[in-house]
Amino acid sequence: GDSVTQMEGPVTLSEEAFLTINCTYTATGYPSLFWYVQYPGEGLQLLLKATKADDKGSNKGFEATYRKETTSFHLEKGSVQVSDSAVYFCALSGVVRTSGSRLTFGEGTQLTVNP
Amino acid sequence: DGGITQSPKYLFRKEGQNVTLSCEQNLNHDAMYWYRQDPGQGLRLIYYSQIVNDFQKGDIAEGYSVSREKKESFPLTVTSAQKNPTAFYLCASSIESTGTYEQYFGPGTRLTVT
Repeated sequence: GDSVTQMEGPVTLSEEAFLTINCTYTATGYPSLFWYVQYPGEGLQLLLKATKADDKGSNKGFEATYRKETTSFHLEKGSVQVSDSAVYFCALSGVVRTSGSRLTFGEGTQLTVNP
Repeated sequence: DGGITQSPKYLFRKEGQNVTLSCEQNLNHDAMYWYRQDPGQGLRLIYYSQIVNDFQKGDIAEGYSVSREKKESFPLTVTSAQKNPTAFYLCASSIESTGTYEQYFGPGTRLTVT
């Protein structure tokens, strides 16, 4: 079945440091890939997405590129801020074309950014 | 503003009581989902519904029940059969968008059972 593996956390960085959170996946066909962010005590917010190989999703300074050859979708940001402290989830959706599709989530990576 | 509402934000119950968590969306989405999140862990799918009057079990459906009588509403009942009900519960909805199935989440309900 489909699966998503994220780098283990927690990750602690200083403000303005470079961020990489690794995400690899196992799936049949060509899934869509997502990064979600969860701030303390809140629900998940969609951060960015990519729907086909070599697509780059970007939002709020975060980027991730859909790499089919390495089955990866690593999240990067060039200069993190204290306000980026949150839990980040990598996820994929299957290719079954029904009305709505299950998402498979990684375990989440806790990011803490210190001033 | 369109979105997903979950109420209440915090819920406390005694062991042995059933409790129903509310989820409403005004996004006109067809599909809705319920997830459970435990501290420091990822999301686990409880139930999902792709159309009104139809729903499917997710990975951890035991001890839970749902209904989908209206497109906008997908309430979750945590029954006394659920052995460890204390958790953070998240509702989501989705609609196909350019071939993807991105899900939109509500703010969550934190349930504590003592």
